[in-house]
Amino acid sequence: SQTIHQWPATLVQPVGSPLSLECTVEGTSNPNLYWYRQAAGRGLQLLFYSVGIGQISSEVPQNLSASRPQDRQFILSSKKLLLSDSGFYLCASGTSRSTFGSGTRLTVV
Amino acid sequence: DQQVKQNSPSLSVQEGRISILNCDYTNSMFDYFLWYKKYPAEGPTFLISISSIKDKNEDGRFTVFLNKSAKHLSLHIVPSQPGDSAVYFCAASGKNSGGSNYKLTFGKGTLLTVNP
Repeated sequence: SQTIHQWPATLVQPVGSPLSLECTVEGTSNPNLYWYRQAAGRGLQLLFYSVGIGQISSEVPQNLSASRPQDRQFILSSKKLLLSDSGFYLCASGTSRSTFGSGTRLTVV
Repeated sequence: DQQVKQNSPSLSVQEGRISILNCDYTNSMFDYFLWYKKYPAEGPTFLISISSIKDKNEDGRFTVFLNKSAKHLSLHIVPSQPGDSAVYFCAASGKNSGGSNYKLTFGKGTLLTVNP
C-alpha cells in the first residue's frame, strides 16, 4: 500500500516570505500526484496534479507553483506568500482511490 | 461552477441511529464516486466508492447509494457511532479524452456529529 510523507505538519510564515512544502510517496511507482488546499470552512480544492516527472498541470490561477523533480517527489512552492495562501495543504497519490498525506497547516501572518 | 455539491454543512445524529449524508453532482461524465472521512488536522481517508454501473455498494455499516438519473448519491451509516464524528467528503471522477480517470472533484464536506 502507498504511504505519503508530507512535512512540515505546521508552518507559520510572514507575508512575502518563500514557501517550500515537500511530499514523497512510498509503495508505488509513477503515481499520479496531487496538491490540494483546504481553506477555512471550504472543501478540498485541487491546486496541481502531475502524471509524471516534470509534468505539472495547474487547476487554478494562483500564487503557488509545483514541481516534480523525481518520480515520487512533489514540491509545492511560492516565491512570496500572501495572507490568502493560509490553509491546510494536502498531498495525494493515486487517482481512483487517492491516498492522502497528513497535511501541512500553513498560517501566513 | 461547483460540480460536486454537499448542501448540508453539518449533520447531528444520536448514537445508534442512521446517518444519511447527501451529495449531488452536475457533470454527467462522472462515472466513479467516492466518500472520504476526515478528522481535524489529518488527511482524508478513503471510506467507500461506487461505480456508475451500480446503484448500491455496501461495506459493513457503510452503504453508498447512487441515483444516476437524479445525479445524486448518499452515504448511509448504520448504526452511527461517536467515532464516526468527522467531516465527510463526497468526490467524483470521470474519464478524460485518453480514457483514464485522472482527478477527483470534491464537495465541500459535511461535518457529522454523532452524540452518545
